[in-house]
Order: sequence, then C-alpha cells, then structure tokens
Amino acid sequence: SQQGEEDPQALSIQEGENATMNCSYKTSINNLQWYRQNSGRGLVHLILIRSNEREKHSGRLRVTLDTSKKSSSLLITASRAADTASYFCATAQTGANNLFFGTGTRLTVIP
Amino acid sequence: DAGVTQSPTHLIKTRGQHVTLRCSPISGHKSVSWYQQVLGQGPQFIFQYYEKEERGRGNFPDRFSARQFPNYSSELNVNALLLGDSALYLCASSSPPGGFRETQYFGPGTRLLVL
Repeated sequence: SQQGEEDPQALSIQEGENATMNCSYKTSINNLQWYRQNSGRGLVHLILIRSNEREKHSGRLRVTLDTSKKSSSLLITASRAADTASYFCATAQTGANNLFFGTGTRLTVIP
Repeated sequence: DAGVTQSPTHLIKTRGQHVTLRCSPISGHKSVSWYQQVLGQGPQFIFQYYEKEERGRGNFPDRFSARQFPNYSSELNVNALLLGDSALYLCASSSPPGGFRETQYFGPGTRLLVL
C-alpha cells in the first residue's frame, strides 16, 4: 500500500507560474524525498529534507516539511514546459530499509 | 560515470511464464533495491539487497525472488506470471554510509507486459 498521498492528483498551469504540490504521510520518518518521473521512465531525485529540517531550496525548488502535521510541500517557481512530469514524494520511515512512495502529482506546464 | 542500467527495457510474457530482470548499480554502490510501479501508481518496494544479503522485503508473494552478485549487480525473478504483474520494474542503487534511506538513483526500468 502507498505510504503517502500527494495532492492534487493532477495540476495544469501556464509556463512561468508557480506550482505547489503537497504530500501527507502517516508515520515517523528519517527524511522525505521528492522525485520526478517523465513519461513512465525512471525516477530522478530532486531533493531530500531531513526530519529535523523545516525548509530546503535547490534552484527553482523549495521544499517544506512539517513533522507535526506529517506533511510536506514542493514548490516549483517560474515553471517551464520541461517541468511537465509526475512528481512523487517518498518517505524514509524510522526502522525501515526502503522508501515509501506516494501516489504522485501529474504536473502539466502549458507553453 | 554510467548510471543505473537495467535490461531488458521491454518484455512481453504470457501468464504462467517466468521472467528475469537485471540491474547494474552505479559503480561503487553496494545497495540495490527493486520497486514495482503499476500504471497510475507510485513505486512499491519489493526487495533491498546490500552486500549480497537481503535487507528488506516488501509485501509481495513468494513468486518474487531476487539475488545480488559479487559485483553488486542484481536479478529479480518472477515465477508463474499473472496479468497483474504487468508493470514497470525499477531498480535503484544507493551508497552507504547513508545507504538505504538516502538518495536512491533509479534506472530507466523494465516494462513488463503479461498477456
């Protein structure tokens, strides 16, 4: 079963706009990671945020983590058509040796 | 440096057959994990191997098995294929000391279709 849930399931925006995706999870974690997947291919790691961090930036990406609410958000600023992909959050749960993926958000950026 | 490689890229099998999928991790990575991704879903964990030992197993039937070789490459075997085994099978490697819970580097996947 999926550990997390992304919200929304699908998002369509114009190029240049910002895109925000949310992820909720259920158990205590060591870290939370965001991955991108283009057209059913392999996943590409975007960013990792640890349980003792609240915010992290990488280029046009900004991730927040609220462990009290068991939620995270991914913000992509100034979106580009090339950002069109599915985005997944994945949690590294305390005591587990694998990642638990959410259901994904399908982002479409319209040129 | 080469990334994670998987073979074959696509595969068509019929129900009841057996399949072997192969994965080569990034050079220097000793941990390999396998995930199944059904269309429209997120990846689900199948196995994790480190130093040729199984370190984790997801909620999959015994028809699924895997192994890791001395060169850290890995095979995933699925017996008695069912229609529901049709999916994208992803391999990921990672490097200690962070290891299993740190960044996973994924291969392009093997798309399996069971008819």
